[in-house]
Amino acid sequence: NAGVTQTPKFQVLKTGQSMTLQCAQDMNHEYMSWYRQDPGMGLRLIHYSVGAGITDQGEVPNGYNVSRSTTEDFPLRLLSAAPSQTSVYFCASSKEYGFNYGYTFGSGTRLTVV
Amino acid sequence: QKEVEQDPGPLSVPEGAIVSLNCTYSNSAFQYFMWYRQYSRKGPELLMYTYSSGNKEDGRFTAQVDKSSKYISLFIRDSQPSDSATYLCALQSGGGADGLTFGKGTHLIIQP
Repeated sequence: NAGVTQTPKFQVLKTGQSMTLQCAQDMNHEYMSWYRQDPGMGLRLIHYSVGAGITDQGEVPNGYNVSRSTTEDFPLRLLSAAPSQTSVYFCASSKEYGFNYGYTFGSGTRLTVV
Repeated sequence: QKEVEQDPGPLSVPEGAIVSLNCTYSNSAFQYFMWYRQYSRKGPELLMYTYSSGNKEDGRFTAQVDKSSKYISLFIRDSQPSDSATYLCALQSGGGADGLTFGKGTHLIIQP
């Protein structure tokens, strides 16, 4: 049981480049979400999904896209990277929303945009 | 005013001490209260969660919620060097779909 797997672990991008951060879970969790963690800011919600085919915006969605074609995968796309998107990105999943079983987090992707 | 306030520390205590970590919040819609532990360069891991006022105990950890004061606490008894980490409080409204609201985290150091 791998839990929540994020790839890559590290990435350096140039301003304007695009990329996809991958997130996969093998726990059959319905709810998946993306957070970014910045020094002095804590963890902030970017996008979330309550099930396959359903996504919604969180607190800081600008510059990011998501899709949820399967229960297992929830990729995060950076459309045109900016230095302000330098951060550590965490994917988290939960069995369901509204009935809290606690969130399982991945180990994170450290992204630097130069 | 931020929705969730948490002293970032660092908080340094000797091994064996009782540690008290706290968060305050302003939004009465929060109904679920969680504590996560995050080691350096790792993802947060859930320590405890509760949805009511009062205490919940799990081994050396006790979570306390006072909804009337909008104040939550995590107590660690017999602290160990392995408890050195950042502790994040996280709150969730009843609907739950809009994710967790985190405090900034308290960096805890347990001195051997």
